[in-house]
Amino acid sequence: GAGVSQSPRYKVAKRGQDVALRCDPISGHVSLFWYQQALGQGPEFLTYFQNEAQLDKSGLPSDRFFAERPEGSVSTLKIQRTQQEDSAVYLCASLKLAGAETGELFFGEGSRLTVL
Amino acid sequence: GQNIDQPTEMTATEGAIVQINCTYQTSGFNGLFWYQQHAGEAPTFLSYNVLDGLEEKGRFSSFLSRSKGYSYLLLKELQMKDSASYLCAVDTDKLIFGTGTRLQVFP
Repeated sequence: GAGVSQSPRYKVAKRGQDVALRCDPISGHVSLFWYQQALGQGPEFLTYFQNEAQLDKSGLPSDRFFAERPEGSVSTLKIQRTQQEDSAVYLCASLKLAGAETGELFFGEGSRLTVL
Repeated sequence: GQNIDQPTEMTATEGAIVQINCTYQTSGFNGLFWYQQHAGEAPTFLSYNVLDGLEEKGRFSSFLSRSKGYSYLLLKELQMKDSASYLCAVDTDKLIFGTGTRLQVFP
């Protein structure tokens, strides 16, 4: 597609429910990033893929968070047993080549998760 | 550790000039990005500085001093549509963002 596409745009979950957020990056983009953005804050790094390889997952806040990109294109961020503090916008971004210094990140519009 | 500081909020008048500062201390540095983010929307790319100095792009300019760990974004001839959050982000093979500066432009 023309840009990074994320779905769902809005998700309301009950505490304890599992959620899955999808990211469809720009076709051909090698690198894919997930960020978490709380209200009024900057995006916080969660994890990074280069093709299908998850090279860095140091930002995932707990083992309830899991991300995958099995075929090196679409990625899914899964949150198990959601908690209220998981409420945030989850941003996906893709980059044409490996290494951010080779170009700009293109962000999706995000998935806004609200945990009740 | 990683530390990126920028002011939380700024206000300015339409037609004026505003400078948004960013200081950083990070382990690793490839370059520095500035992004604009309107409320409820995705961040959009403004600039990327690798070398020291000023990069000018229309009404927006960005400056970098690697030795001082300092950057600024300069916005000239402010327009109402420039009201947004401005995010400073350091490229350390992954982007580390500051908390963002919320700019409000008044008529």
